[in-house]
Amino acid sequence: EAQVTQNPRYLITVTGKKLTVTCSQNMNHEYMSWYRQDPGLGLRQIYYSMNVEVTDKGDVPEGYKVSRKEKRNFPLILESPSPNQTSLYFCASSFQDNEKLFFGSGTQLSVL
Amino acid sequence: GENVEQHPSTLSVQEGDSAVIKCTYSDSASNYFPWYKQELGKRPQLIIDIRSNVGEKKDQRIAVTLNKTAKHFSLHITETQPEDSAVYFCAASMSYGQNFVFGPGTRLSVLP
Repeated sequence: EAQVTQNPRYLITVTGKKLTVTCSQNMNHEYMSWYRQDPGLGLRQIYYSMNVEVTDKGDVPEGYKVSRKEKRNFPLILESPSPNQTSLYFCASSFQDNEKLFFGSGTQLSVL
Repeated sequence: GENVEQHPSTLSVQEGDSAVIKCTYSDSASNYFPWYKQELGKRPQLIIDIRSNVGEKKDQRIAVTLNKTAKHFSLHITETQPEDSAVYFCAASMSYGQNFVFGPGTRLSVLP
């Protein structure tokens, strides 16, 4: 089944403890991206990747890192999480940029 | 950078009535305008999209119109049903790896 797999589904952590949210797609998509969703603000893009080893900042990249070492995987790294990073996170992929996005199931992150 | 505004933020309609959600964008270089539907607790899913070389697109009860001169596009849902109740997001993007920018969302409630 074609899908974007995101883990974990829920995560509670404490300020400053490094964490990684994984994202994997099995559709051979070139384009992958991360979004955070906050009430009243919609979906805001954190980082995106056009292909392996090609990544760029979105609108809200501060406090986040990404890597694209393989085409299928695009992990989101929070090196030192802070409470203002408490949010619902979505990974998404598409065959190319400017195409339909396929979203993962989301990760609800709480930073205490 | 691109900025997308969306109105209204909430919309209630009677079952069978029509619903219209409007979005405006700021960057005339944007050329792809999708609409996503997000049901409670679920991931966003594409319901319809339009490119800048087309003025209108229809898929059963859903239609999207685009006015490039005024830089706005609208989602039209006819004969609304309770299962149309969800949050709807518009978005704008352009080719070659630029940001994918979403509007803040519209919560649609279809009342029986």
